[in-house]
Amino acid sequence: DVKVTQSSRYLVKRTGEKVFLECVQDMDHENMFWYRQDPGLGLRLIYFSYDVKMKEKGDIPEGYSVSREKKERFSLILESASTNQTSMYLCASSHQTSGSYEQYFGPGTRLTVT
Amino acid sequence: SQKIEQNSEALNIQEGKTATLTCNYTNYSPAYLQWYRQDPGRGPVFLLLIRENEKEKRKERLKVTFDTTLKQSLFHITASQPADSATYLCALERGYQKVTFGTGTKLQVIP
Repeated sequence: DVKVTQSSRYLVKRTGEKVFLECVQDMDHENMFWYRQDPGLGLRLIYFSYDVKMKEKGDIPEGYSVSREKKERFSLILESASTNQTSMYLCASSHQTSGSYEQYFGPGTRLTVT
Repeated sequence: SQKIEQNSEALNIQEGKTATLTCNYTNYSPAYLQWYRQDPGRGPVFLLLIRENEKEKRKERLKVTFDTTLKQSLFHITASQPADSATYLCALERGYQKVTFGTGTKLQVIP
């Protein structure tokens, strides 16, 4: 059974802290994605990676960075957390030659920045 | 700028009826369109993909249509059941296997 796991379901951090969100997939997928989901705004792409050490900015990369040192792991970093980064963060992965371009999502991390 | 609209935030229907959800878009020419289901507190789950040269796709009780002239996709669930209650998201291809998601329609099937 395919699986995308995220390091925490719930996280509470203080303004200014550096925050790491980890995502691991066990499907040998090349593509990995980080989204945030907010009411009324839907899922918005933060960063995308199509290979180890490769990354591409999405629609809202400001305030975020990513790291992909191994194929199965894609980390999202909030350099200095701010209250407007309170959100649900979702990681996804997909296989480059799947045909359906299906994205498999993790369960999400609900981050609260106080 | 590119825009995706899903017909309504919420849709209530009676069990057994057909639910029809709409996804309209502007300033896109997507090569494909996907539909996902999302339950509260969980990540979206892929349901169907339809390509620009396909008019219709079916999977069990699900049917998707894609009209590139109208720039619209319709998502139908026939013989709806309470277990179909969820938020349904459309997602449009935007280059290199990335998609842009709509904000979703919350479907409630009433017994």
